[in-house]
Amino acid sequence: AQKVTQAQTEISVVEKEDVTLDCVYETRDTTYYLFWYKQPPSGELVFLIRRNSFDEQNEISGRYSWNFQKSTSSFNFTITASQVVDSAVYFCALSVSRIAGNNRKLIWGLGTSLAVNP
Amino acid sequence: GAGVSQTPSNKVTEKGKYVELRCDPISGHTALYWYRQSLGQGPEFLIYFQGTGAADDSGLPNDRFFAVRPEGSVSTLKIQRTERGDSAVYLCASSPSGQGSLETQYFGPGTRLLVL
Repeated sequence: AQKVTQAQTEISVVEKEDVTLDCVYETRDTTYYLFWYKQPPSGELVFLIRRNSFDEQNEISGRYSWNFQKSTSSFNFTITASQVVDSAVYFCALSVSRIAGNNRKLIWGLGTSLAVNP
Repeated sequence: GAGVSQTPSNKVTEKGKYVELRCDPISGHTALYWYRQSLGQGPEFLIYFQGTGAADDSGLPNDRFFAVRPEGSVSTLKIQRTERGDSAVYLCASSPSGQGSLETQYFGPGTRLLVL
């Protein structure tokens, strides 16, 4: 079975602080993809990053960085110098590749609500 | 715009009524997905279309829920005999082809359904 755990329900920081959102996943598949999405108060899910199971390189995009470690089944997300506009719910999700069948659904964590205060 | 659009943005109905929710995917995307999100939860998969056919409908909760995509573009999620427990945000997503390596799904703004 597949599962995604985001242990942090809510995080509150002050602007300019760095913050790390944790994501731990479970799957027996060897080929899979991990995603992070942002859901601001407007409600629309915004794609942030996709990472496949064969690429453990960390990635940086502006103030955002991601740390993928297969040894601990984690795919953590760090926001550097947080801003008020970063306030949102952040979801980590998992999708597995199946040779047979057409299973393309995303398995989601419960999300972490980040509040960045001025 | 060029993103996924959903209508209506909000729908209020009475228990027992029938509702239809519409999704217009990104132009050219052949894969379309429906999810349901309750307050404080992550999205819950309902159904996935590849072209006109439902490739995976394992997430539909019961036979009151049905979805179609007759021309391989716009999709309609239909809920019969609505119940209060159906109240949620219904999200639609699309991806370019759904084939081969897994693709990023791009989401619409959702339809907020409230069943009184």
